Amino acid sequence: SQQGEEDPQALSIQEGENATMNCSYKTSINNLQWYRQNSGRGLVHLILIRSNEREKHSGRLRVTLDTSKKSSSLLITASRAADTASYFCATDLTGGGNKLTFGTGTQLKVEL
Amino acid sequence: GAVVSQHPSRVICKSGTSVKIECRSLDFQATTMFWYRQFPKQSLMLMATSNEGSKATYEQGVEKDKFLINHASLTLSTLTVTSAHPEDSSFYICSAKVSGSSFFRYTFGSGTRLTVV
Repeated sequence: SQQGEEDPQALSIQEGENATMNCSYKTSINNLQWYRQNSGRGLVHLILIRSNEREKHSGRLRVTLDTSKKSSSLLITASRAADTASYFCATDLTGGGNKLTFGTGTQLKVEL
Repeated sequence: GAVVSQHPSRVICKSGTSVKIECRSLDFQATTMFWYRQFPKQSLMLMATSNEGSKATYEQGVEKDKFLINHASLTLSTLTVTSAHPEDSSFYICSAKVSGSSFFRYTFGSGTRLTVV
């Protein structure tokens, strides 16, 4: 199945810094979603951006979408140790039957 | 709202035995449930899509006779790993599609860590 590529694979920052993760995908989408996963747990939905949107905010999260480049970014501002987790982008592909295709993920570590 | 409860959270079984994983939608009706597996430090790979009252649709490369999916009601979907082997050890996660305005939202179970010894 087609899968988005995320970079970086791993990111380590200090508390208070911003964290940026990027996601690229291959085909046209209905929407793109970002999820968070704590180690060994299920996924938590963070934010959804539709194909006709370019930017979206939710609290300390900012997501951008560039459909011409088939890429998205997730910015976490003023990071906290509790933000330590894996972050995945997931695409709802056009004509994909509303199945989500997940990216490779970014492991974020926020150190005190 | 829109909570999916997944059980068990962890299971260890002997090689050759079968294991059943349940996912229940607690406060909504899940007409469609997705089953994923995830290897350590890797992404989620979709295994199959189940629709209530019909046969599941399996992704390419997933053995339907090995991974039996049943979605007999609007609130319960099960995945049975039959004749499990050590290579089936993985993290299995279910997800339900939740209708909402013009798009679908997805809610995930907490996952099941399967270890086959």
